[in-house]
Amino acid sequence: GESVGLHLPTLSVQEGDNSIINCAYSNSASDYFIWYKQESGKGPQFIIDIRSNMDKRQGQRVTVLLNKTVKHLSLQIAATQPGDSAVYFCAENMLSYSTLTFGKGTMLLVSP
Amino acid sequence: SQTIHQWPATLVQPVGSPLSLECTVEGTSNPNLYWYRQAAGRGLQLLFYSVGIGQISSEVPQNLSASRPQDRQFILSSKKLLLSDSGFYLCAWRRLGIYNEQFFGPGTRLTVL
Repeated sequence: GESVGLHLPTLSVQEGDNSIINCAYSNSASDYFIWYKQESGKGPQFIIDIRSNMDKRQGQRVTVLLNKTVKHLSLQIAATQPGDSAVYFCAENMLSYSTLTFGKGTMLLVSP
Repeated sequence: SQTIHQWPATLVQPVGSPLSLECTVEGTSNPNLYWYRQAAGRGLQLLFYSVGIGQISSEVPQNLSASRPQDRQFILSSKKLLLSDSGFYLCAWRRLGIYNEQFFGPGTRLTVL
């Protein structure tokens, strides 16, 4: 079953705004997390990952924050662009497992 | 660099017909391979995964099966399709290592009529 869930199913922002997509996970033993972006009709695209020994990791225009105390993960997108419009999934993993557990996804809509 | 291919990209099949979807990975050896299904507007449901040739783990009992005849080839099959088999089928691979980052193929859109 799924142990990862998202707070907001749809997030609408204006171009240029910063976006924050949230994810809650229930398995305190999870130690690796990934964010994926899925555009309509395409396969999910790996965006960024974070290991449980970190609380923040930055990529190009994206930052992932991990709060293990409250079992919360967030993806921040700076200066959101129309091309960022997609569904974003978080996924969790325990190192001893070969499979990922995916959240249900959040739709990000960016208006020009 | 590694690439993952899926075909066909789209498929329309009648109920009761057989199915064969193929996934191949290039540029890596002995990857873990995965089949997922995604219903419209939904999340990803893991169907099968494989850690090596001939090794298949099934996550969901159903009328689908998977095979791995070669190291970088993963096939999803059915003898008789049901209407409920319609969906977006995704193949993914993961390199051997500690962390389970998976990389997805472009997907196959299956419509069963």
